[in-house]
Amino acid sequence: DAKTTQPPSMDCAEGRAANLPCNHSTISGNEYVYWYRQIHSQGPQYIIHGLKNNETNEMASLIITEDRKSSTLILPHATLRDTAVYYCIVFNAGNNRKLIWGLGTSLAVNP
Amino acid sequence: GAGVSQTPSNKVTEKGKYVELRCDPISGHTALYWYRQSLGQGPEFLIYFQGTGAADDSGLPNDRFFAVRPEGSVSTLKIQRTERGDSAVYLCASSRTSGSTGELFFGEGSRLTVL
Repeated sequence: DAKTTQPPSMDCAEGRAANLPCNHSTISGNEYVYWYRQIHSQGPQYIIHGLKNNETNEMASLIITEDRKSSTLILPHATLRDTAVYYCIVFNAGNNRKLIWGLGTSLAVNP
Repeated sequence: GAGVSQTPSNKVTEKGKYVELRCDPISGHTALYWYRQSLGQGPEFLIYFQGTGAADDSGLPNDRFFAVRPEGSVSTLKIQRTERGDSAVYLCASSRTSGSTGELFFGEGSRLTVL
């Protein structure tokens, strides 16, 4: 599986956009980029995923570079409740269906 | 229920004891996963069920760990002769399809403490 690299921690002011980067330079053509977050003492929560195109849903936007070697998760208007650990995961639905998790980015949204 | 339910939420046991952790997935979800998470780490894959059968148990650390899903719904993770190193949060997740999606729905976890 392709590995991902994320900064260990980030800060963001409440109401501002939070941009969380992820490097996945060894990603294969059939592998998806998934983002999850985990609020303290809770189970992980799915946010969004993409293959090649940028994606947007009610929670966030996902921007994937043209060469697919990196991506950015965007929380357009961060709130205090967005404080969590954010995980970027490369998923292969073909021969390996399990998610392999790294250490993620601990995002602190400050008032 | 509306989400994945895990019981107990907390379990404290003594070294050498036997422990069972239960997971009730979202109704209709065919795939079920067990992960465990140590403090400050990401979740670590243990086992994946497709229906009643274990499709991938490569993450089980040793033969003290075993999981079943006899009717394709509820699953039980069983740990024999617990050790202090087994202390962690055990997470269960389910998904709609046959495991071809990475969109999993997680429970709140069962926190196991082995004294």
